[in-house]
Amino acid sequence: DVKVTQSSRYLVKRTGEKVFLECVQDMDHENMFWYRQDPGLGLRLIYFSYDVKMKEKGDIPEGYSVSREKKERFSLILESASTNQTSMYLCASSFSGQSTDTQYFGPGTRLTVL
Amino acid sequence: TQLLEQSPQFLSIQEGENLTVYCNSSSVFSSLQWYRQEPGEGPVLLVTVVTGGEVKKLKRLTFQFGDARKDSSLHITAAQPGDTGLYLCAGSLGGNEKLTFGTGTRLTIIP
Repeated sequence: DVKVTQSSRYLVKRTGEKVFLECVQDMDHENMFWYRQDPGLGLRLIYFSYDVKMKEKGDIPEGYSVSREKKERFSLILESASTNQTSMYLCASSFSGQSTDTQYFGPGTRLTVL
Repeated sequence: TQLLEQSPQFLSIQEGENLTVYCNSSSVFSSLQWYRQEPGEGPVLLVTVVTGGEVKKLKRLTFQFGDARKDSSLHITAAQPGDTGLYLCAGSLGGNEKLTFGTGTRLTIIP
């Protein structure tokens, strides 16, 4: 059974703090993704990775960075959290680079920045 | 600018009724997917369509990809409370792994 897990379901941080969100998949997938989800805006892609140590910017990368040191783990980093980064963060993985591949999502991390 | 607009944004109907939700764009997509997200969970893939005019059925759900591959619709027959959730369309512009998600339709089926 496919599984994507995220390190926290809920997280509260203060403005200026460094925040790490971690995602692990157990399906040996090549691709991993980080999205943020806001009401009325759907999911917006922050970064994705198609291989270990490889990363590409998505549509809204500003204020975020990522790390993929191992195939199964993809981390999202907020270097200095701001209130406008309060959101639901979703991680996903897919087997290969085909657009028709299924993306498997984790349950999400709801981040609040005070 | 949102590339994929979904309508309506919210829909609340009685159990047993039929409904259609729409996903529209001015861009041509090489493929389009529909996902459903339930509270506290991540989205789960329902269907992928790749050919203009394609129709796929999943039990009471019927998905259609527009002839010009710019739009899609999801029709639910005899809606049930288990259909409640956020429905998201997602398209690929370049045939690669990067998906553009729609704005979402939040559907509530009242028993």
